[in-house]
Amino acid sequence: QVQLVESGGGLVKPGGSLRLSCAASGFTFSNYYMTWIRQSPGQGMEWVSSISNGADKYLYADSVRGRFTTSWDNAKNSLYLQMNSLRAEDTAVYYCARESWYTMELWGQGTTVTISS
Amino acid sequence: QSALTQPASVSGSPGQSITISCTGSSSDIGYSKYVSWYQQHPGRAPKVIIFEVSNRPSGVSNRFSAFKSGNTASLTISGLQAEDEADYFCSSSTTTSTQVTFGGGTKLTVL
Repeated sequence: QVQLVESGGGLVKPGGSLRLSCAASGFTFSNYYMTWIRQSPGQGMEWVSSISNGADKYLYADSVRGRFTTSWDNAKNSLYLQMNSLRAEDTAVYYCARESWYTMELWGQGTTVTISS
Repeated sequence: QSALTQPASVSGSPGQSITISCTGSSSDIGYSKYVSWYQQHPGRAPKVIIFEVSNRPSGVSNRFSAFKSGNTASLTISGLQAEDEADYFCSSSTTTSTQVTFGGGTKLTVL
């Protein structure tokens, strides 16, 4: 079954860190652009980061550059988002998605990140 | 605040047609051939229903159609059905460092 499953969300204090995981099944994710997108409470979707197939390009939104790092593990067919120096405005549901020419053709169910003291 | 502007809500009765607009700028929708639309039911993962302005993925009903004119993209759902009740949001590639920008989403209510 072709699917993406995110995990790793939780409640973290401002300034803390969290690592999200996205496990792919039914396809080899290294053949695709993979993207992290977030949706803040009551807000629209926001693109966070993309990694190219072959991992030669790492792209980040201005709002997270320098704090978030995307990586992957081919052996585990998994994508990761390391989030450091977390802020209240990072509170959101985080989705990973398989991207094809700027279209998110497959989404995970999302994992919730809450930043609060 | 989202870069692309959508109405917060629309509604229609079963069998009717509705149109959802998505307004951007010359840096995104006006420039791009990569405009997409997504459907999201509560608690579910989003699903792409339109890609590259007007193309439907395999398995998506032909009741969904879309086009763009200038800086505005539009999604039309014809023959409304109860199952169409969901949130719909648009996206577009951009000329900026932002890879993809999204609309704020529109809640469709089938009366």
